[in-house]
Amino acid sequence: ETGVTQSPTHLIKTRGQQVTLRCSSQSGHNTVSWYQQALGQGPQFIFQYYREEENGRGNFPPRFSGLQFPNYSSELNVNALELDDSALYLCASSSWPRANYGYTFGSGTRLTVV
Amino acid sequence: SQQGEEDPQALSIQEGENATMNCSYKTSINNLQWYRQNSGRGLVHLILIRSNEREKHSGRLRVTLDTSKKSSSLLITASRAADTASYFCATDEGNTPLVFGKGTRLSVIA
Repeated sequence: ETGVTQSPTHLIKTRGQQVTLRCSSQSGHNTVSWYQQALGQGPQFIFQYYREEENGRGNFPPRFSGLQFPNYSSELNVNALELDDSALYLCASSSWPRANYGYTFGSGTRLTVV
Repeated sequence: SQQGEEDPQALSIQEGENATMNCSYKTSINNLQWYRQNSGRGLVHLILIRSNEREKHSGRLRVTLDTSKKSSSLLITASRAADTASYFCATDEGNTPLVFGKGTRLSVIA
């Protein structure tokens, strides 16, 4: 398996709860980026992890946090869920420093907050 | 925030016709990439064009880049029903996160 795997594929949570999404990076890649995609919109950058440290962050509040592990897999944690957090969460792996090639995306986790 | 803006937002064509989508962006870039997304699933990388390239081909795909106008176009020739998807452009400013546009929804009618 050389692709990016995300789990779970679907998730329903209640407002105020916490959620953890998981992502395994493609073999040979050392960087993981997380994106949030609301319905009908393009993906919005949340943050990126390289060598287990956050290496760039988009316009998301601190209740969005992450981890990267020594095997380059990653988690996205969201605390105090809000209804607007309902979206498709995409993980993408790449290498840093990045040459001229594209990201490899996982199939995403569909999060519904009720 | 969005960097690239695709045009049109939606496109409906008959099978066999060509589909053209455009992307405009705001800053200097290292490269520009096009992705496809089927039914709200993951994005699939289609093609990358570097800032010093003007045109690139991959199978039925043709991408052009005009850095003076900060714009790119994606042409899909001889479209098929399986090409029905959303298409996104993404800009790479060089070791910064990819920034995506809002996408073009393409429907190819058999």
